[in-house]
Amino acid sequence: DAGVIQSPRHEVTEMGQEVTLRCKPISGHNSLFWYRQTMMRGLELLIYFNNNVPIDDSGMPEDRFSAKMPNASFSTLKIQPSEPRDSAVYFCASSSGTSVYNEQFFGPGTRLTVL
Amino acid sequence: GQQVMQIPQYQHVQEGEDFTTYCNSSTTLSNIQWYKQRPGGHPVFLIQLVKSGEVKKQKRLTFQFGEAKKNSSLHITATQTTDVGTYFCAFYNQGGKLIFGQGTELSVKP
Repeated sequence: DAGVIQSPRHEVTEMGQEVTLRCKPISGHNSLFWYRQTMMRGLELLIYFNNNVPIDDSGMPEDRFSAKMPNASFSTLKIQPSEPRDSAVYFCASSSGTSVYNEQFFGPGTRLTVL
Repeated sequence: GQQVMQIPQYQHVQEGEDFTTYCNSSTTLSNIQWYKQRPGGHPVFLIQLVKSGEVKKQKRLTFQFGEAKKNSSLHITATQTTDVGTYFCAFYNQGGKLIFGQGTELSVKP
């Protein structure tokens, strides 16, 4: 299996621009998670999906952030408009959901820089 | 909400020395997971503990879950340069969210 795939790996944009991050989970996994990692705040869960349905989006910082999962093999995290404080590494992770406490498989991340 | 505190935040050791990181909670945890993140990399799952007093070993790594299920530790015997990275503990809260500690960054001097 190729593992969790994320694109782009690096994104540099200017303040006010729309940013779209993409994720393909491991085939057969039914849970998908979006995390943000910064030095100040560590690893934060933004939102997670179960069977393509958003379950908890309480970690989404504000209305500028939105996430979708139109099918089991694809998810997007969109920031519109972007701000410099959104600069971070964004990870997507997936898990199989076969037990209550599942290990999560992380993608390589997207390093976002907003100028 | 529930959270865990990891100590130390940073640890610098000479290659061959032992290393321990601790994960503490003020409330009882149902489970503990440990992840390792290499510099520039992504978190990778190491192990999960769910039973009170549980001890698991992976080669030079020993993981423990406290009797009261409020703390956990990761001990590395005779560190190697390949052990460099940040070690995170994490737990699933009642809402099904995996909550991460702040991590312990380990550096190893050859």
